[in-house]
Amino acid sequence: EAEVAQSPRYKITEKSQAVAFWCDPISGHATLYWYRQILGQGPELLVQFQDESVVDDSQLPKDRFSAERLKGVDSTLKIQPAELGDSAMYLCASSLGGSFYEQYFGPGTRLTVT
Amino acid sequence: AQSVTQPDIHITVSEGASLELRCNYSYGATPYLFWYVQSPGQGLQLLLKYFSGDTLVQGIKGFEAEFKRSQSSFNLRKPSVHWSDAAEYFCAVAGTDSWGKLQFGAGTQVVVTP
Repeated sequence: EAEVAQSPRYKITEKSQAVAFWCDPISGHATLYWYRQILGQGPELLVQFQDESVVDDSQLPKDRFSAERLKGVDSTLKIQPAELGDSAMYLCASSLGGSFYEQYFGPGTRLTVT
Repeated sequence: AQSVTQPDIHITVSEGASLELRCNYSYGATPYLFWYVQSPGQGLQLLLKYFSGDTLVQGIKGFEAEFKRSQSSFNLRKPSVHWSDAAEYFCAVAGTDSWGKLQFGAGTQVVVTP
């Protein structure tokens, strides 16, 4: 069964350093989502792509976060510089597109900022 | 403002007993409704979804949920819990006119005792 791949699974970094996460969605899925899940809370959407275009980045802290999906396939989420409050699980999901289609989630990247 | 409320942060249930998890939403119109499960260290898996029609929805792993428009609720149930059902459960909503952006509740942690 096809799965969403994410790497790394775990990342420890010092504050003020740069960090990057990678996501490879299920083949053929046009829509890709990045969520942040703080411990004890539900996931919150950071950015959503339709193919290579951003359709929603209203909750992305653009002063330090950036995301790209250059060829409309895999995607990278970057934080620079990392802050202590960025410690969280970063989840990637993909779907065929729109609310009607199921979102498939990857295992996530657990980020700890020290 | 749109919101999803899961009133129970933590529930303990005996194996073989029934389980009900509560979810209430505040939305301008009837949204699409979802229940996801997250096992430790894993991504989220869709249990079931409601778009329209029959208000009792069947999902995977023996779960079902009932949509009650008058109460703005979408409660999840399982008649007989197995030890493998120990996990965190998230209720989520998405607008019918959105690109699939999910808004999650804070989650309910389910512990299953022998």
